[in-house]
Amino acid sequence: EPEVTQTPSHQVTQMGQEVILRCVPISNHLYFYWYRQILGQKVEFLVSFYNNEISEKSEIFDDQFSVERPDGSNFTLKIRSTKLEDSAMYFCASNPGRSSGANVLTFGAGSRLTVL
Amino acid sequence: AQSVTQLGSHVSVSEGALVLLRCNYSSSVPPYLFWYVQYPNQGLQLLLKYTTGATLVKGINGFEAEFKKSETSFHLTKPSAHMSDAAEYFCAVSDDNTDKLIFGTGTRLQVFP
Repeated sequence: EPEVTQTPSHQVTQMGQEVILRCVPISNHLYFYWYRQILGQKVEFLVSFYNNEISEKSEIFDDQFSVERPDGSNFTLKIRSTKLEDSAMYFCASNPGRSSGANVLTFGAGSRLTVL
Repeated sequence: AQSVTQLGSHVSVSEGALVLLRCNYSSSVPPYLFWYVQYPNQGLQLLLKYTTGATLVKGINGFEAEFKKSETSFHLTKPSAHMSDAAEYFCAVSDDNTDKLIFGTGTRLQVFP
């Protein structure tokens, strides 16, 4: 069964460092997302991406965050200067499109980011 | 704005007992409703979804949920719990106007032998 692949599974970084989290969505999917889950809290929407541009972003997704799809397969989340509060599990998800009228997202296993 | 409330952050049941995980939503437009499960160290896996049509939805692993518009609820049930059902369960809502999911805070299900 096709799956969304995320790397790394766990990254530890120092505060202020740049981090790039990588995702390979399912190949024929058109919509891509990043969510995060701070330990013990709910899964929160960060950003959605379609047709090579951001379609929606949350208030969490400030200027420190960016996304891109550099080569048509990878979908990356960059945090420019990490803060302690960026420590969380980051989930990538993809969606084939809205022909069914509802968004069924397929999630990756997550990348755990620990900022020291 | 949409929101999801999951009552009970932890639910414990005995193996073979009924599982009931509660979810209430708030939406100003007809919602799409989802239940996802997260096993330890894994991603979020879709259990079932409601979009339109039949209000009783059957999912994987014997789970089902019923959309009750009058109660704004979408509770998840399973007649007989298995040890392998121990996981975190998330209710989520979206609608036709947005392509993002709004999640509840999750319910951790423990199953005792």
